[in-house]
Amino acid sequence: DAGVTQSPTHLIKTRGQQVTLRCSPKSGHDTVSWYQQALGQGPQFIFQYYEEEERQRGNFPDRFSGHQFPNYSSELNVNALLLGDSALYLCASSFSGPQKKYFHEQYFGPGTRLTVT
Amino acid sequence: QKEVEQDPGPLSVPEGAIVSLNCTYSNSAFQYFMWYRQYSRKGPELLMYTYSSGNKEDGRFTAQVDKSSKYISLFIRDSQPSDSATYLCAMSRFYTGANSKLTFGKGITLSVRP
Repeated sequence: DAGVTQSPTHLIKTRGQQVTLRCSPKSGHDTVSWYQQALGQGPQFIFQYYEEEERQRGNFPDRFSGHQFPNYSSELNVNALLLGDSALYLCASSFSGPQKKYFHEQYFGPGTRLTVT
Repeated sequence: QKEVEQDPGPLSVPEGAIVSLNCTYSNSAFQYFMWYRQYSRKGPELLMYTYSSGNKEDGRFTAQVDKSSKYISLFIRDSQPSDSATYLCAMSRFYTGANSKLTFGKGITLSVRP
């Protein structure tokens, strides 16, 4: 059973550029959450997608946007990159189910390490 | 004050020691409590989760939650060098229709010396 996969593994961008990160959830999962983990810090919640809609959002600016596709995979887009956006971006998947009951077992992918220069 | 505070590290112990990792929190709405283990350059891996107060045991690991004190702990018995990693506590609220985001502590790096 493939777990959560993310691509690319590493990425180097310049300030002002735009970046797209991709995530495929664990088999059977329908909900994708994105987290930003700065060096030496715990992950910070960015947003969560279910049924192709943004369901929750953390304290991140509108430069951070996302999308979920019918196959439950997801993208995270960051515009106008800043040096402070350098971090490990983690995707986590979980199962919410048709009754929209929220399960809290979130399984994380290996992350995409973004460096902004 | 951050919603979740985790004891600062790093922590270094000899093999076979009992390790105690702790977190405190300020939001009384948290009901689910998790411990994740993160190896270097990897994503966090769920170790254990508990709902509300009480103890939960899984092999060498025991998770404790005291909601009255807003305090959670993870105990590792007979620690092994393979336990060397960063340990993150995480919490979430649960109510119908919303809010399963995880709020994490800063993490503590554990090193188990052979």
